[in-house]
Amino acid sequence: EVQLVQSGAEVRKPGESLKISCKASGYSFNKYWIAWVRQKPGKGLEWMGIIYPGDSETRYSPSFQGQVTIAADTSISTVYLQWSRLEASDTAIYYCVRPKLFGFLNNCFDPWGQGTLVTVSS
Amino acid sequence: QPVLTQPPSVSGAPGQKVTISCTGSSSTFGAGFDVHWYQQLPGTAPKLLIYDNNNRPSGVPDRFSASKSDTSASLAISGLRAEDEADYYCQSSDSSLPGYVFGTGTKVTVL
Repeated sequence: EVQLVQSGAEVRKPGESLKISCKASGYSFNKYWIAWVRQKPGKGLEWMGIIYPGDSETRYSPSFQGQVTIAADTSISTVYLQWSRLEASDTAIYYCVRPKLFGFLNNCFDPWGQGTLVTVSS
Repeated sequence: QPVLTQPPSVSGAPGQKVTISCTGSSSTFGAGFDVHWYQQLPGTAPKLLIYDNNNRPSGVPDRFSASKSDTSASLAISGLRAEDEADYYCQSSDSSLPGYVFGTGTKVTVL
């Protein structure tokens, strides 16, 4: 069974750094892209960016370019989303998702991780 | 950020049929990209409901159906049930990013 298991909820202050994780299992980790999706409280879904663990090629949505970093560790089948300086506006649930098929574009997302709630507050 | 446009809400009585529209652009549906639909029940992660325009994953009731044209797509829920009350999102790819885009989301209320 293909599974994505995310790290637990985090609370940070503005200006602090943070790295959340997404551990994949049940498939060949290096061969599928993995993406991150943001959902602010009471709002819709936003695609943030995507990484191909096989060679660490990364693409970002223009809205998130320079705001976050996506990385992968193939030795433990884990993808990360990290911030160097959090802002209150980063408060959201973050989901990792895997495109259903091989390839960068024209894919649906299945499965989804359970989500990681990040709260940024002074 | 490019988005796909959905109505904020739709509602219907149990047993009725409701339809949710999803409007794209020349860089999404017009570029030949497929549309997919997700259901998000309160407090849970989204779940794939329809993929590749009109295909249901195993376990999704045939009350859910979808279609797509060059610039828009739609999701229909027939025989509406209380458990269908949720948020629904369409999703596609966008050649202008390039990357992925989600719809603005539609809340379905069962009266």
